[in-house]
Amino acid sequence: EDQVTQSPEALRLQEGESSSLNCSYTVSGLRGLFWYRQDPGKGPEFLFTLYSAGEEKEKERLKATLTKKESFLHITAPKPEDSATYLCAVVSTDSWGKLQFGAGTQVVVTP
Amino acid sequence: DAMVIQNPRYQVTQFGKPVTLSCSQTLNHNVMYWYQQKSSQAPKLLFHYYDKDFNNEADTPDNFQSRRPNTSFCFLDIRSPGLGDAAMYLCATSRDYSMGGRLLSSNQPQHFGDGTRLSIL
Repeated sequence: EDQVTQSPEALRLQEGESSSLNCSYTVSGLRGLFWYRQDPGKGPEFLFTLYSAGEEKEKERLKATLTKKESFLHITAPKPEDSATYLCAVVSTDSWGKLQFGAGTQVVVTP
Repeated sequence: DAMVIQNPRYQVTQFGKPVTLSCSQTLNHNVMYWYQQKSSQAPKLLFHYYDKDFNNEADTPDNFQSRRPNTSFCFLDIRSPGLGDAAMYLCATSRDYSMGGRLLSSNQPQHFGDGTRLSIL
């Protein structure tokens, strides 16, 4: 059965304190891995798609990487506006395209 | 900007009183999804439309129905809301591809609206 596990559940950072979020996945075959950001009371906002091991994507202070078993979302020198819940989701080759979400990592960045 | 718009943002209904949530999109995407998200949980897929073809998840209660009258609009109907149906309802869209009318396994990102927060009195 496909599984997506995110860690930690919550992360509190000082402004400027870089850190990484982890998304471990177990799928028969990976068709795509997606990172989303969700602010309270809003829908998930698409950040990145990664398709194959070794792939990296960057956007401002965020960088996503992918291996055969996990993905990392690195937050470099975070600012308070980076506070959000970050969701990881995968689509397996066994699926028509259904997103299998992890439970998310809640990030709080304090000034 | 092209986007996914959900109305209303907040909806209050009475226990057992039918309610309809709406979603529109200007992305011209052919697939539309409805998710239920409860506090501190991941979104849970209820169903999706590939063009006009409706696809229900096996564990979606019969109480939840959907309509897609055209490419741009999709509705979620809850026939008899119970207290356990209080949640955020999210609409999403994606552009996906098929062969012979069948949705192939997709790897395209889904784009979400800001949701409707449903409360049950």
